[in-house]
Amino acid sequence: KNEVEQSPQNLTAQEGEFITINCSYSVGISALHWLQQHPGGGIVSLFMLSSGKKKHGRLIATINIQEKHSSLHITASHPRDSAVYICAVRKGGSQGNLIFGKGTKLSVKP
Amino acid sequence: SQTIHQWPATLVQPVGSPLSLECTVEGTSNPNLYWYRQAAGRGLQLLFYSVGIGQISSEVPQNLSASRPQDRQFILSSKKLLLSDSGFYLCASKMGGANYGYTFGSGTRLTVV
Repeated sequence: KNEVEQSPQNLTAQEGEFITINCSYSVGISALHWLQQHPGGGIVSLFMLSSGKKKHGRLIATINIQEKHSSLHITASHPRDSAVYICAVRKGGSQGNLIFGKGTKLSVKP
Repeated sequence: SQTIHQWPATLVQPVGSPLSLECTVEGTSNPNLYWYRQAAGRGLQLLFYSVGIGQISSEVPQNLSASRPQDRQFILSSKKLLLSDSGFYLCASKMGGANYGYTFGSGTRLTVV
């Protein structure tokens, strides 16, 4: 079993829909990251969380440390949000090495 | 802010040929540097990390090696590529300390034929 599991693997939405992507992990962590990977492959860091909730524009990320679970929400989704969203965790005590989920491929249709 | 330059963006190499991928970092000093690989249908996996010049740690046994000849330069190499080396290679940088996030390069898509 992977240490970081994401669901769903693939997600298709209509423009304007509210989207939720889930991430569960099984190790002790010092931080959790949400990343966005576009078709060309480049990765952009969206959020770094160690507790609570963060918001940036239409994106909201939450984490529940006790339940070892995080969610990424996109409000009023748009076709430009189409990308692969990756959850990654930094294990406590590591040299900053990340453990990545396999990603959720999101496609937003106009 | 940090910027990572990674090249080339795509590469097609024959089996048995050598490999050299380079990653340079701007806007910071003494970062932790990482090489990750994403094989088809799988998540990114850590290959090497470095906490300083000449200091390399390997996470998985493989056909690849890494070097850090300068503070902001990280190189991934192979003497003889295998088909299984195909994948997406990503360089990342992070300042020390829990409050710092990661900066990622644009990646190199390697196809070994």
